[in-house]
Amino acid sequence: DGGITQSPKYLFRKEGQNVTLSCEQNLNHDAMYWYRQDPGQGLRLIYYSQIVNDFQKGDIAEGYSVSREKKESFPLTVTSAQKNPTAFYLCASSGTTSSYEQYFGPGTRLTVT
Amino acid sequence: AQSVSQHNHHVILSEAASLELGCNYSYGGTVNLFWYVQYPGQHLQLLLKYFSGDPLVKGIKGFEAEFIKSKFSFNLRKPSVQWSDTAEYFCAVNARGNAGKSTFGDGTTLTVKP
Repeated sequence: DGGITQSPKYLFRKEGQNVTLSCEQNLNHDAMYWYRQDPGQGLRLIYYSQIVNDFQKGDIAEGYSVSREKKESFPLTVTSAQKNPTAFYLCASSGTTSSYEQYFGPGTRLTVT
Repeated sequence: AQSVSQHNHHVILSEAASLELGCNYSYGGTVNLFWYVQYPGQHLQLLLKYFSGDPLVKGIKGFEAEFIKSKFSFNLRKPSVQWSDTAEYFCAVNARGNAGKSTFGDGTTLTVKP
């Protein structure tokens, strides 16, 4: 059953700690994306990667880091430098030809206190 | 830079009413356009897309959208909504040659009363 998995579904951390969110896909897609979703603000792009070992900053990359060592995996680290980390995080993947329609994971809700 | 504007934040309709959700984008070049939907408790998923060809595109569950290039619009329509259409709807634009970097609108929450 192809798709995108994100774990965990809910994550709680203390302020000042880094935290890594997992994203795995078995759709054989080259491209992967991380979005942040806040109420009333839609999805904002954090980072994206078109190919293994390469990634680009999105619109709100400050305070976040990523790696793309494997085609299937695109973990996101929320660092202590991110001023407002509490949010819902969505991972997506797509092909790199045609229309780039994206397939989304179930999301991780991160709460930092 | 590309941007997307969705006109309504929250729409409430009764079953069998007609639906039109507005979406305008700003970008001067060639674009791909999408509507995604998030049903309660489910993943965000593609509803329909425009890539090329016929500007009237049909998606799942009886939805359609019309790309009007002169108006930079991609409005979503359904002639008769059902209670099961209750969801959040996002319009997105992806500029050709921009490596898949899509910009999303703020979303419209649709509530359909039975």
